[in-house]
Amino acid sequence: DADVTQTPRNRITKTGKRIMLECSQTKGHDRMYWYRQDPGLGLQLIYYSFDVKDINKGEISDGYSVSRQAQAKFSLSLESAIPNQTALYFCATSDLWNNEQFFGPGTRLTVL
Amino acid sequence: AQSVSQHNHHVILSEAASLELGCNYSYGGTVNLFWYVQYPGQHLQLLLKYFSGDPLVKGIKGFEAEFIKSKFSFNLRKPSVQWSDTAEYFCAVNAGGGSQGNLIFGKGTKLSVKP
Repeated sequence: DADVTQTPRNRITKTGKRIMLECSQTKGHDRMYWYRQDPGLGLQLIYYSFDVKDINKGEISDGYSVSRQAQAKFSLSLESAIPNQTALYFCATSDLWNNEQFFGPGTRLTVL
Repeated sequence: AQSVSQHNHHVILSEAASLELGCNYSYGGTVNLFWYVQYPGQHLQLLLKYFSGDPLVKGIKGFEAEFIKSKFSFNLRKPSVQWSDTAEYFCAVNAGGGSQGNLIFGKGTKLSVKP
């Protein structure tokens, strides 16, 4: 969905490096999410935010942190990247009413 | 904890065959239900959704799904698949309905359609 953008789209980095993935949305939604996708595992929730002052851990938050800079921006950081964080990362947004989520195009991250 | 099960990991069909992908969830209360599709190299897109009302919902591209509350199921169907339906399909459940909770996703079913 063009209303949710992610940068970068692809990133190759080395073990131990700090990486930031960025997400922006123009849908006006309060709720934003970060997921990782691994083959055969579906989507796993890393962090979510229901508004600018609300940040919550998901099922696999270890090794990750987030920042909600504004309603429209939600960044995911890997403080010290490790190879098993190699995955496809998706940002998503939803409104307040029914949790229908809209996904960004994804960031393919490779940690060597 | 709530969970979503998709029974088939990989389904291979020929064009014009009928499709049914299973989805079961473990939550006894109100739910919102979704099917998302991910075409190769792309992000997830909404295929269809159920919030309330008619348990048979129609989505884009000829897909439909039936909510059977007694079976905790929300199976996806299409009468005649096309090669362009090759994709991965994810079932998702919002336990509690409305704005409560988060979406729980199944592990996905990969559909390959042979021309």
